[in-house]
Amino acid sequence: SAVISQKPSRDICQRGTSLTIQCQVDSQVTMMFWYRQQPGQSLTLIATANQGSEATYESGFVIDKFPISRPNLTFSTLTVSNMSPEDSSIYLCSDPTGLSPAQHFGDGTRLSIL
Amino acid sequence: KQEVTQIPAALSVPEGENLVLNCSFTDSAIYNLQWFRQDPGKGLTSLLLIQSSQREQTSGRLNASLDKSSGRSTLYIAASQPGDSATYLCACPEDYKLSFGAGTTVTVRA
Repeated sequence: SAVISQKPSRDICQRGTSLTIQCQVDSQVTMMFWYRQQPGQSLTLIATANQGSEATYESGFVIDKFPISRPNLTFSTLTVSNMSPEDSSIYLCSDPTGLSPAQHFGDGTRLSIL
Repeated sequence: KQEVTQIPAALSVPEGENLVLNCSFTDSAIYNLQWFRQDPGKGLTSLLLIQSSQREQTSGRLNASLDKSSGRSTLYIAASQPGDSATYLCACPEDYKLSFGAGTTVTVRA
């Protein structure tokens, strides 16, 4: 199965600042997904990161707030911009199109905004 | 849109007891169903995946069943241990995008 690494694992940020989360996969993958998990909630898909084209955002999520980069087939970044306490969540990336039908996730980035 | 529900939201059992976790979904035309484990503040670990053509899948003390006609999957964990304490999530893909249940948080008391 794919090995997915995320950095940072956690961070505490001031409101109004931005943080970029990195996701690295150990093999080339067509799509990468970014999810958010708010406290006590389940996971919600933010966007699909596509190599060579703009990310595709789900309803309720916009590029200005969550810009995504996908410079190659093994790497993606998600930026959480102009953070507020409501952005305190775990952010996870996943590899939905690997060799196995099972989807795999990174260890997540636990973000707290003061 | 697929809706996934997990009941109960929380479960506490003494060590050694068998665990039964339920997952229901509204659209029976699923491609597969996947069970995950999540430790507090951490990412997701894939436990089992059942393809739509399968009725069950086993891995060690874990057994997952799938009944598409009734829109249900059940995860059984035999002889629970304190290390099994975690949140368990089920999910179904639609165009690769996973729809998750809210999870069942399990506490196994020593």
